[in-house]
Amino acid sequence: DAKTTQPNSMESNEEEPVHLPCNHSTISGTDYIHWYRQLPSQGPEYVIHGLTSNVNNRMASLAIAEDRKSSTLILHRATLRDAAVYYCIYDRGTGNQFYFGTGTSLTVIP
Amino acid sequence: GAVVSQHPSWVICKSGTSVKIECRSLDFQATTMFWYRQFPKQSLMLMATSNEGSKATYEQGVEKDKFLINHASLTLSTLTVTSAHPEDSSFYICSAREREGLLFFGPGTRLTVL
Repeated sequence: DAKTTQPNSMESNEEEPVHLPCNHSTISGTDYIHWYRQLPSQGPEYVIHGLTSNVNNRMASLAIAEDRKSSTLILHRATLRDAAVYYCIYDRGTGNQFYFGTGTSLTVIP
Repeated sequence: GAVVSQHPSWVICKSGTSVKIECRSLDFQATTMFWYRQFPKQSLMLMATSNEGSKATYEQGVEKDKFLINHASLTLSTLTVTSAHPEDSSFYICSAREREGLLFFGPGTRLTVL
């Protein structure tokens, strides 16, 4: 399994930025880093992905460490709808399987 | 983003019966689809990789005779839970990999076995 390590839970106040960390120390050079989030009783939703450079999209930003052994998902202004479990995954490549870790449960406080 | 659908969204069945769950990629073709199961307050567990036109690859500990997977076309994979028992009650989620390599997930199917 491709292992990632994330904090079990985090809290943020509404409309403040949130930085969700992920460690992926066994990542290899061609593995992409993916972030998904899951609301209760729903399938995971794609958030963002990247390889080496920092990435931005309408949902979030992804900051990737220079050695690629860690990354941070940044929600610039947390809303109540951002409360979810966030999963960081990296693509093992050959088998193309995505193995999920425990994820970070984000609570947004109004 | 790409859309993946699942049917049914929930199903209740009696112990010993079989249940089929469909997974469709609506706006793209997927040579590879994946099936996951998720128990309450746990993460997703990969069950099997479904390849169009060939046999599925099952993860260790997943019974291939119990969870039958068919990937007959580039837009449809099915998971059949055979002789379902209460311990098979779970949230089943499929996903499909699109051409650029991103994985998109279905909304999930809640299976309850009485």
